[in-house]
Amino acid sequence: GAVVSQHPSRVICKSGTSVKIECRSLDFQATTMFWYRQFPKQSLMLMATSNEGSKATYEQGVEKDKFLINHASLTLSTLTVTSAHPEDSSFYICSVYGGAGTDTQYFGPGTRLTVL
Amino acid sequence: GENVEQHPSTLSVQEGDSAVIKCTYSDSASNYFPWYKQELGKRPQLIIDIRSNVGEKKDQRIAVTLNKTAKHFSLHITETQPEDSAVYFCAASNAGNMLTFGGGTRLMVKP
Repeated sequence: GAVVSQHPSRVICKSGTSVKIECRSLDFQATTMFWYRQFPKQSLMLMATSNEGSKATYEQGVEKDKFLINHASLTLSTLTVTSAHPEDSSFYICSVYGGAGTDTQYFGPGTRLTVL
Repeated sequence: GENVEQHPSTLSVQEGDSAVIKCTYSDSASNYFPWYKQELGKRPQLIIDIRSNVGEKKDQRIAVTLNKTAKHFSLHITETQPEDSAVYFCAASNAGNMLTFGGGTRLMVKP
């Protein structure tokens, strides 16, 4: 399957600051990446679909001005949580397809965000 | 949009017994159904998947069955081992390739 990395793995920040999370596809070029959020003991909720070279598509209820997504290259998508608040504390995970013509998604290791 | 329901939310079995997790979906256009295993603090790992043109798929101790008419699919784990303990998620997607996840099942295998 696809090899996906995320950075950082953990981040603790103060309320009001912004945090950037990187998602990289290490072994092939990904035109589409997905960002999920997972609260403790809950399922994965799709936040947005990141498209290389164009605007991200956000799911209903996800504020695009708060969760900024940039997919500037075929191997990198970034999620910036702006003006973070304690309720934004969560596990953020990205995913990519396993390759052209496949519908299998492979996940990054996730980023644990804690906002104090 | 798609809605996926998963049952049970927790499942406790004795080592060596079988475990079955069931999911239902709402969108008849969905045609891809993966299962993921997630250990605490780790990424979801794909363990098996099935497409709508197949009714059953098996990989060693793991099998998945799909009933498109009834819109439900199930994960079967035989001869469970303590290392099978984790949270399992089912998911469904259509040609748009957006995955919708079930609520998860916490499987505990007692030695």
